[in-house]
Formats: sequence, C-alpha cells, structure tokens
Amino acid sequence: GAVVSQHPSWVICKSGTSVKIECRSLDFQATTMFWYRQFPKQSLMLMATSNEGSKATYEQGVEKDKFLINHASLTLSTLTVTSAHPEDSSFYICSARTRVGNQPQHFGDGTRLSIL
Amino acid sequence: DAKTTQPTSMDCAEGRAANLPCNHSTISGNEYVYWYRQIHSQGPQYIIHGLKNNETNEMASLIITEDRKSSTLILPHATLRDTAVYYCIVRVGGSQGNLIFGKGTKLSVKP
Repeated sequence: GAVVSQHPSWVICKSGTSVKIECRSLDFQATTMFWYRQFPKQSLMLMATSNEGSKATYEQGVEKDKFLINHASLTLSTLTVTSAHPEDSSFYICSARTRVGNQPQHFGDGTRLSIL
Repeated sequence: DAKTTQPTSMDCAEGRAANLPCNHSTISGNEYVYWYRQIHSQGPQYIIHGLKNNETNEMASLIITEDRKSSTLILPHATLRDTAVYYCIVRVGGSQGNLIFGKGTKLSVKP
C-alpha cells in the first residue's frame, strides 16, 4: 500500500527554536498534503492543506506565520514550527493524497514534538 | 465539524467478529464513508472506504445501509493487535475535500 514517511519521529528542543518536520510520499505523487495536530487524549485536528506548488490553506485559528508549510514537489512537504514554545508541544501528523478519484489519504507515523 | 456519530468505546473478545457502528444521517449522495484506525502513538491507518455498495478487503468489511445513513465496519476475527481507536469519516467537500476526524470508537480486544 501507499507509504507516507515522516521525519523526525521525535524531537525535543528548547523554547524559541524552530523545528522542521518532513513528510514524503514514497510510492505515489501527492498532489495534496495535509498537516494535523493531536493533543493527548484528543482527536486529530486539521491544521492546513497544501497543494503542490501553491500556498497552503490554513484552518481557522492556525497561525500561518507560526506554522510554515512548504509543498515544493509532488513527494515532499515540510512543516516548520517557528519560535516554538511549550504550548506547541504536540503530536504532528502529515497526510498525503493523490488527485485521482476517491483514493484514500495515507498518513505518516507522526512527529512527537516536545518544547522545553 | 465531524458528520458522524460513533460509540465512545467497545469491547470484543479475541477471535470474535468486531462490529463497529457509525451513523452519518446527513451524508450527501456523492460523499464517501472512510474508516481509519489509530493505534496508540502512531498515525492513522487506512482501512476501507465505500459509497453505496458493501466493500471488503483484506482488513475488513464495510456494510452501508441502503439509505446510506449508517454503516458498520466488521473485523471478522479480531486480534489483540486490533485494539485501537477507529474513526468513521465522511469526507467533507466531495472527492477533493478534507478528512475531519471525530472522537472515534476505542475498541479494546480482550483475550
């Protein structure tokens, strides 16, 4: 089946630093990629949607200057958490989908981000 | 907002069939039903999806009622590794729409 690879799987950093998370589709062209965030004991919350070569569309309440998304190719999207603070600590999950029909989205294994 | 309603939790005995219900009474004619599951500390795993007809794959079966207002995911022989949160999702916005996750059903498979 389709594979989405996310890296790193786990990161700890100091408050004020920026963190970049990579998401790659390994065996299909991801025309659309999604970024979700999940807090403990809660469901996934969609943060933003990006189409290859276009600016990302952010969900209400998500700061676009805080969470920079780049989708420069059909196989790679990155999420950069800028000037991270402890409240940004969460489980970040990317997802990718091809434009063809009703093909399912496939998800990466997530990145657990801890800001000290 | 999620367009589906699922029980918060369910138990199932190992080796028995697990039947997970989902209500989606406001589903539109061209909207698909998707099922994913999330095992603790991992990303969601795609299981199956359908529009009108029942579907089966190597993981599960999906039974959709004729009026499409509800569906049931069936894991025919549940194992301990099937313990997870199962999400029933109606894709918002047609074939290019987003997956909006509700709270899902926590399935616990017990020995």
